[in-house]
Amino acid sequence: DIQMTQSPSTLSASVGDRVTITCRAWQSLGGWLAWYQQKPGKAPQLLIYDASTLESGVPSRFSGSGSGTEFTLTISSLQPDDFATYYCQHYNNSSWTFGQGTNVEVK
Amino acid sequence: QVTLRESGPAFVKPTQTLTLTCTFSGFSLSTSGVCVSWIRQSPGKAPEWLALIDWDDDKYYRTSLKTRLTISRDTSKNQVVLTMTNMDPVDTGTYYCARNHRYSSGRFYFDYWGQGALVTVSS
Repeated sequence: DIQMTQSPSTLSASVGDRVTITCRAWQSLGGWLAWYQQKPGKAPQLLIYDASTLESGVPSRFSGSGSGTEFTLTISSLQPDDFATYYCQHYNNSSWTFGQGTNVEVK
Repeated sequence: QVTLRESGPAFVKPTQTLTLTCTFSGFSLSTSGVCVSWIRQSPGKAPEWLALIDWDDDKYYRTSLKTRLTISRDTSKNQVVLTMTNMDPVDTGTYYCARNHRYSSGRFYFDYWGQGALVTVSS
């Protein structure tokens, strides 16, 4: 499995802030990278797939970029509903792997 | 409308076998490009993919758990079943089933999830 490292593990921010989360891998992921949002007690929800494509119904303040070994999730203007944990996820060799998560909390 | 729902025991004892059922609606597991996976999440940890079954009845397992897992489907009932043998307290967590959908890029992502089933392993 390709290991992925997210940073930071915790991010303290305020409503209206621009937030960036990074996912790094030790080998190239190509473009096979997704981002999920998870709120307490709920299942993860797909936000971004193919590194930069917004899933249907996801607000446009979310965006993804990157290729190879480094990818970012950006929230352009943090909203109250966005305080949650975010995971990157990759597929390789018949196995799906999630990053360790980034908790976006109220500053 | 796509929905998935997990069902099974909330408690199992160490060494027992866990059997979970995912009942889904709004799609067919016989449709090309459609798969169902099981994913678990220990408290405070990241999700961990366990197993997948696809439209051709091909099955894939997490390498580290392969000897303990079996995934199967009943297309007539729209169900996918996961069994995990020799349960241990470290297997405690929330078990999700999720649909893998093949997007236009040809890549698969988890686009719909069940609400999850909390399983506690304790004597």
